[in-house]
Amino acid sequence: AQSVAQPEDQVNVAEGNPLTVKCTYSVSGNPYLFWYVQYPNRGLQFLLKYITGDNLVKGSYGFEAEFNKSQTSFHLKKPSALVSDSALYFCAVRDGGDTGKLIFGQGTTLQVKP
Amino acid sequence: SAVISQKPSRDICQRGTSLTIQCQVDSQVTMMFWYRQQPGQSLTLIATANQGSEATYESGFVIDKFPISRPNLTFSTLTVSNMSPEDSSIYLCSVLGPVGGSGEQFFGPGTRLTVL
Repeated sequence: AQSVAQPEDQVNVAEGNPLTVKCTYSVSGNPYLFWYVQYPNRGLQFLLKYITGDNLVKGSYGFEAEFNKSQTSFHLKKPSALVSDSALYFCAVRDGGDTGKLIFGQGTTLQVKP
Repeated sequence: SAVISQKPSRDICQRGTSLTIQCQVDSQVTMMFWYRQQPGQSLTLIATANQGSEATYESGFVIDKFPISRPNLTFSTLTVSNMSPEDSSIYLCSVLGPVGGSGEQFFGPGTRLTVL
């Protein structure tokens, strides 16, 4: 069965510092991996995805993520955090088929302090 | 990217009543889904809305409680039936597509439901 784990409920970082939000996954086939962000009282916004190709994926708002097959991880990163990055971040996985069904992690709250 | 709208954006309902949520997409999409996000929780897939046939429900969700329609490639409805306070959640429509697109999955703004 597919699963996604986000081991940290909350990540705190100072503005201007690099940030990492962790995600590990388990799938039976080739993974399709996604990161979404949810701001308070708003829907989910797509940040980036990994389907195939380069292990380093660049996405919206300066975020990037690194796919590591041996560690089954897909950590979200940003070189310099902004206060406006404070939000709830979800990692999700879809198996390589066309079912379209996304399995979400439990979410990580990112708090960027000035 | 697909633009998704949901109606209503929020509602407060009485126990025992039903609410129908609409999802409209601005382009034809291959697949549509309904998710639930309970307070402080992650998203859980309720069902896949299939065009012209019965929806495919995930474990723990049944058609009598969450009937779904999808009459065409751009529109779907989810009904939350015989509501109880435990149904208080955000309900999100999601689409895969549009047709011929890159396989990204997009989410609507959600419907925030409170059941008293």
